[in-house]
Amino acid sequence: AQSVTQLDSQVPVFEEAPVELRCNYSSSVSVYLFWYVQYPNQGLQLLLKYLSGSTLVKGINGFEAEFNKSQTSFHLRKPSVHISDTAEYFCAILGNAGNMLTFGGGTRLMVKP
Amino acid sequence: EAGVTQFPSHSVIEKGQTVTLRCDPISGHDNLYWYRRVMGKEIKFLLHFVKESKQDESGMPNNRFLAERTGGTYSTLKVQPAELEDSGVYFCASSQELQGELFFGEGSRLTVL
Repeated sequence: AQSVTQLDSQVPVFEEAPVELRCNYSSSVSVYLFWYVQYPNQGLQLLLKYLSGSTLVKGINGFEAEFNKSQTSFHLRKPSVHISDTAEYFCAILGNAGNMLTFGGGTRLMVKP
Repeated sequence: EAGVTQFPSHSVIEKGQTVTLRCDPISGHDNLYWYRRVMGKEIKFLLHFVKESKQDESGMPNNRFLAERTGGTYSTLKVQPAELEDSGVYFCASSQELQGELFFGEGSRLTVL
């Protein structure tokens, strides 16, 4: 069985401040890891993914995430957020032989001016 | 290139009625997925088509849900009869390869009164 935990359901932050959205997972098999973003009234959009190789992954819009196998974490970071980053962010995993994504509960990032 | 499109964007029905959701994947994508997010919960996998065949329907809640993908193109998800707990957002996604990047639609919000 697989599971993904996003500890923070909401993260308020001021514009230009750094942010970290936390994601921990549990799986009995090797996994691929993803972060998706959902802007208001839009579909889910892939932000970044880790398949193999370097544990630091850079994505779109200045976001990055680091895969930590020992801590089974894949936290998402951005050094300086913008108002336009206000959205809901989802961490997800895919078993390396699987066909379905397992999602966390989502974290709503609210950037304030 | 058109993305994944879903219709309707929002449907409000009464308990016991029938609703059919439609998904048009990206042209050429053999893999089509349905996911659902019930209010306040995680996004959960429902089923996976490869072309017109159901590859995995382990996430379908019960036999009130029927998914089809005629001719391996668009897909429909019918709920009959709808119950209150079926309310949520139904997402469709498609990919070219089995573990390739998933492209999500904007979702169909279903409200059962």
